[in-house]
Amino acid sequence: AQSVTQPDIHITVSEGASLELRCNYSYGATPYLFWYVQSPGQGLQLLLKYFSGDTLVQGIKGFEAEFKRSQSSFNLRKPSVHWSDAAEYFCAVGLNRDDKIIFGKGTRLHILP
Amino acid sequence: GAVVSQHPSRVICKSGTSVKIECRSLDFQATTMFWYRQFPKKSLMLMATSNEGSKATYEQGVEKDKFLINHASLTLSTLTVTSAHPEDSSFYICSVWTANTEAFFGQGTRLTVV
Repeated sequence: AQSVTQPDIHITVSEGASLELRCNYSYGATPYLFWYVQSPGQGLQLLLKYFSGDTLVQGIKGFEAEFKRSQSSFNLRKPSVHWSDAAEYFCAVGLNRDDKIIFGKGTRLHILP
Repeated sequence: GAVVSQHPSRVICKSGTSVKIECRSLDFQATTMFWYRQFPKKSLMLMATSNEGSKATYEQGVEKDKFLINHASLTLSTLTVTSAHPEDSSFYICSVWTANTEAFFGQGTRLTVV
């Protein structure tokens, strides 16, 4: 069955430290891949996407993600986190354009001062 | 700027009443829109796919008669929660794909049924 796995429910990092959030997917082909961020009580903001081309994609707010086909992964990274990055992060996939998006369970990011 | 506009952002209604939530695509046409539901501290679950000019496609376990979806124009889809009950209280979010192959989400609607 198609699925998206975010193995870390919570992650805590110190402000200024680097960050990596993991995401693995299970699909027959390379899907459309997304990372979204959600602040409490808010909607989803698109950080970045991948569907073809360069496997290292740059997003907003200094985030980047790398698609690794051999590992079926699309991990999100940031070299230096800021306190404002504390939020819920969702990895999501769409099998086709204009198709439904399937979400991982999310990773809650906590930032230590 | 915003790509998808959702209204209202918050609504409180009494049990037994109906509530309509609007999802608009801004500056582009969307033949397909998606409706999701998010329980507190949970991920988003797809409820249904809204198709312009035809019936919505509902996910397994979603009550069609309770969650009415209308996609009467290329820029507007509505979700009506009928005969609302407290267990319908949730965060509802719509989504559309743009021509740039990006899936954007509305700001969500917090429904509280009292």
